[in-house]
Amino acid sequence: EAQVTQNPRYLITVTGKKLTVTCSQNMNHEYMSWYRQDPGLGLRQIYYSMNVEVTDKGDVPEGYKVSRKEKRNFPLILESPSPNQTSLYFCASSSLRDRPNYGYTFGSGTRLTVV
Amino acid sequence: EDQVTQSPEALRLQEGESSSLNCSYTVSGLRGLFWYRQDPGKGPEFLFTLYSAGEEKEKERLKATLTKKESFLHITAPKPEDSATYLCASHGGATNKLIFGTGTLLAVQP
Repeated sequence: EAQVTQNPRYLITVTGKKLTVTCSQNMNHEYMSWYRQDPGLGLRQIYYSMNVEVTDKGDVPEGYKVSRKEKRNFPLILESPSPNQTSLYFCASSSLRDRPNYGYTFGSGTRLTVV
Repeated sequence: EDQVTQSPEALRLQEGESSSLNCSYTVSGLRGLFWYRQDPGKGPEFLFTLYSAGEEKEKERLKATLTKKESFLHITAPKPEDSATYLCASHGGATNKLIFGTGTLLAVQP
């Protein structure tokens, strides 16, 4: 089954404790992206990647890091989480050739709480 | 600035009561207008892509239409299982990425 898999689904952590949210897709997509979703603000892009070793900032990149060492994986790293990073996070992927047709395929989300 | 605005924020319908959701966009060089459905705690699920003014697409009780400034998602004779948040997103413009509206929360009561 074609899918984007995120882990963990739920995470509660303390301020300053480094964490990684993993994202993997099995569709051989070139394009991958991370979004956060907050009430009243909608989905906002954090980082995106056009292909292996190619990443760039989205609208709200502060406090986040990403890497793209393999085509299928695109982890999101919070080096020193703060309470304002409490949010619902989504990973998404897309074929650059097909992107205008199908938009993105989204993961199921990671609900992060930073206390 | 590229922008997508959805209205209303929330809509409550009785089962069978048809209505429309609105998505206004300001994007130069639109390459696609997308509709997604999102259930609570889940990722958005793709519904439709529209490319040019006048285009329409249908899926079961949903029909999406596009003009040069707006898109509408028409829901005909909705059922309780249509309850969800419906997201609109534009692709194109200066940033060449998907820009999302904040969504319309639809509740259909039996």
